[in-house]
Amino acid sequence: AQSVTQPDIHITVSEGASLELRCNYSYGATPYLFWYVQSPGQGLQLLLKYFSGDTLVQGIKGFEAEFKRSQSSFNLRKPSVHWSDAAEYFCAVGVTGYNKLIFGAGTRLAVHP
Amino acid sequence: EAGVAQSPRYKIIEKRQSVAFWCNPISGHATLYWYQQILGQGPKLLIQFQNNGVVDDSQLPKDRFSAERLKGVDSTLKIQPAKLEDSAVYLCASVTGTGTYEQYFGPGTRLTVT
Repeated sequence: AQSVTQPDIHITVSEGASLELRCNYSYGATPYLFWYVQSPGQGLQLLLKYFSGDTLVQGIKGFEAEFKRSQSSFNLRKPSVHWSDAAEYFCAVGVTGYNKLIFGAGTRLAVHP
Repeated sequence: EAGVAQSPRYKIIEKRQSVAFWCNPISGHATLYWYQQILGQGPKLLIQFQNNGVVDDSQLPKDRFSAERLKGVDSTLKIQPAKLEDSAVYLCASVTGTGTYEQYFGPGTRLTVT
């Protein structure tokens, strides 16, 4: 069965520090992978997506993610975190043929000034 | 382009009462989803519509939850009767059509059952 694991429930970083949020997936075929961000009281906003091709994908707000098939991972990175990046981040895998997304449990990011 | 609209934004009810949530997707989006997001968890799909037909409702607790999308545009999700464990944020999302995975989400309705 398809699943997504985000090992870190809560991460705290200092403003200006680099960030990496981990995501591991379980899927039988080549996955469609996504990262969404959810600010308090808001819906989910798409940060970036991977369908095929270049395994390093760029997204909005300076985020990038790298697909590593050998590790079944799709980690999200940002070189320098801003206070406004504090939010909850969700990794998701698309179930091909069904237009469905399966989400991980999320990682809550706190940013210290 | 207007986003996905949901109402109400917040609702507090007592257990065993009923409640309804409304969603208006982005214009022209054929596929609509309802998710339940319990605190500390990721969104869980409840039901997926393609136009006005149900594609997947395998995780919808049909003894108490119902949803409809009569004209293939806006949708209503109902809970009757509500239980304490239904306290969650209910998210609506839409996509343009089949083969599209980039879902656009509304702000959600936060339900508290006391």
